[in-house]
Order: sequence, then C-alpha cells, then structure tokens
Amino acid sequence: AQSVTQPDIHITVSEGASLELRCNYSYGATPYLFWYVQSPGQGLQLLLKYFSGDTLVQGIKGFEAEFKRSQSSFNLRKPSVHWSDAAEYFCAVGAPGGGKLIFGQGTELSVKP
Amino acid sequence: DTGVSQDPRHKITKRGQNVTFRCDPISEHNRLYWYRQTLGQGPEFLTYFQNEAQLEKSRLLSDRFSAERPKGSFSTLEIQRTEQGDSAMYLCASSPSTGVLGGANVLTFGAGSRLTVL
Repeated sequence: AQSVTQPDIHITVSEGASLELRCNYSYGATPYLFWYVQSPGQGLQLLLKYFSGDTLVQGIKGFEAEFKRSQSSFNLRKPSVHWSDAAEYFCAVGAPGGGKLIFGQGTELSVKP
Repeated sequence: DTGVSQDPRHKITKRGQNVTFRCDPISEHNRLYWYRQTLGQGPEFLTYFQNEAQLEKSRLLSDRFSAERPKGSFSTLEIQRTEQGDSAMYLCASSPSTGVLGGANVLTFGAGSRLTVL
C-alpha cells in the first residue's frame, strides 16, 4: 500500500539553527514527491517538488529537499530557520501523470527566539 | 487568478443536519480534489474529478457524503445526517490535467471549510 511516514510529530529549533524534517514513503515505483506547508487557518502551500533528475531540489523560502531512492526518503532541509517558518509541514507522494496525493501526518515546527 | 475559493469558511451545525460546501477551482484547472483533515493529521483524500467526471472515490467517502461537479467548474460536497465524527477541515484543491512535466500532480489548495458538528 502507498503510504508516507513523517516520524517526527513536533520539532522545536532555535531561530537561526538548521532544520531537517524527515519523510519516508512506501510506493510501488518512483513517485512524485512534494512538501507542503500549512500555517494556522490557512490552506496548504507548495514548498517544493521532485519529479525526476537531480535528486536535490530547491524550493521557496530557502527550503531544499533530497530524494534518496535507496532509503525511500525525501527529507526537507533549511540551513537557517526564521521565526516565520513556524508551521505544519506535510510530505506527500503521487503517481506520475496526476491524480490524488497521499500525505503524511505532518510535522509541527516551533521556532524558539 | 484568485486561487481556489471555498465557502463557507466555517460551519457549525447540529448532529443530524445536512451541510454543503462549495469549491471554486482555478479557472483553467480541470481537475478538482476534496480532502478531509482532522486535528493533528494530514489531509485524507476523499474524491477527485476531471471536468464533470468523478474519477476516484475513497472508501472514506461513506454513503452520507456526495460530491458533484455538474458543469466541470465549481464543485459541491454534501454531508447528510452529520455526525460528530464529521467535524474536520474540508479542503479543496485543483490542478491541470496536462501540461509541463508533473503539472497535473501539482495541487493548489484552498483555505478550507471547517465543520463543527455539535
């Protein structure tokens, strides 16, 4: 069955520190991979996506993610976290060609001043 | 482009009542998706349309739930005989069905409709 696991429910980092959010997926083939961010009361905003090619992808707001096929992982990173990054982050997978996305349960990020 | 619009943003209802949510997708997108999100969880897929055709439904979508997209533009999600377990955020998203590589996979979400069943 297709699934996404985000092992960390809640992470707290200090402002200016680096960040890594973990995502592991289970999928029959190489899926398309996504990270979305959701601020309170808001919809989901796409941070970045991986379809093929270079396994390190850049996104908005200084985020990047690396696809590791051997580990079935797509971890999200940011070198220096800002207080405005506090939000909930969701990893998702989808089949090439479109259709539904399957989401993980999310990681809530808190940022300490 | 005004993005994906959902209405109402908040709905409080009593158990047993029917509720309907509306979603207006991005005008040039012909795919439309409904998801449900409960507190502390990721969005769960409910159903999606390509134009007016409903292409996939989750088994989560019980008989009390029905979604329509009659003219291939806006969509409605109706919940009949609401239960307290239906309390959630209902998210709508849209995407193109073709286009540049992966374009069909990039979902743009609305702000959601929050349902509270008392």
